[in-house]
Amino acid sequence: LAKTTQPISMDSYEGQEVNITCSHNNIATNDYITWYQQFPSQGPRFIIQGYKTKVTNEVASLFIPADRKSSTLSLPRVSLSDTAVYYCLVGHGSGNTGKLIFGQGTTLQVKP
Amino acid sequence: SQTIHQWPATLVQPVGSPLSLECTVEGTSNPNLYWYRQAAGRGLQLLFYSVGIGQISSEVPQNLSASRPQDRQFILSSKKLLLSDSGFYLCAWSKGGTGTQYFGPGTRLLVL
Repeated sequence: LAKTTQPISMDSYEGQEVNITCSHNNIATNDYITWYQQFPSQGPRFIIQGYKTKVTNEVASLFIPADRKSSTLSLPRVSLSDTAVYYCLVGHGSGNTGKLIFGQGTTLQVKP
Repeated sequence: SQTIHQWPATLVQPVGSPLSLECTVEGTSNPNLYWYRQAAGRGLQLLFYSVGIGQISSEVPQNLSASRPQDRQFILSSKKLLLSDSGFYLCAWSKGGTGTQYFGPGTRLLVL
């Protein structure tokens, strides 16, 4: 399973765009990239998943370069409620057990 | 829609006592099921996963065990709790190994 590296913490202000980059140099051909958000005392919540190029949903965008060795989660116009820990994970596609390795995550602090 | 339940929400147990945490999933069949533990301020550690009834894979050697007596029921147990077993226990499910896991609300365990 590919290991991921992401910043331990980030600060931002309300209304700004936040980009969190994750490195996964050993990503395998059939690995997907998934991001989760976790608030204190709650289980992680799925945000977005992608394989290549760009994926966008109502919450965030995920940018994946052609070599797939990194990815960037983009949160547009963050608010105080976006303060949370964000995890980047890589894992296999269908047919696998779905084992994922959670790292330390990135603690995003949004300030007023 | 699918929902995942965990109980109890909070548990305080003495060292050496037994443990049983339960997780159930509704609205899907034959899910992959996972148990994670999260120590304070840390990332998630995968403990067990199951791809079917009676099929359990252990990720970390410890005094915990898991069982899957029914398709949508996953149980985490211990015969004798240790102080180091304290933490936030999360159950998750996925449809196959797509990498998209959905987490329950968690059980906070304090061993004294």
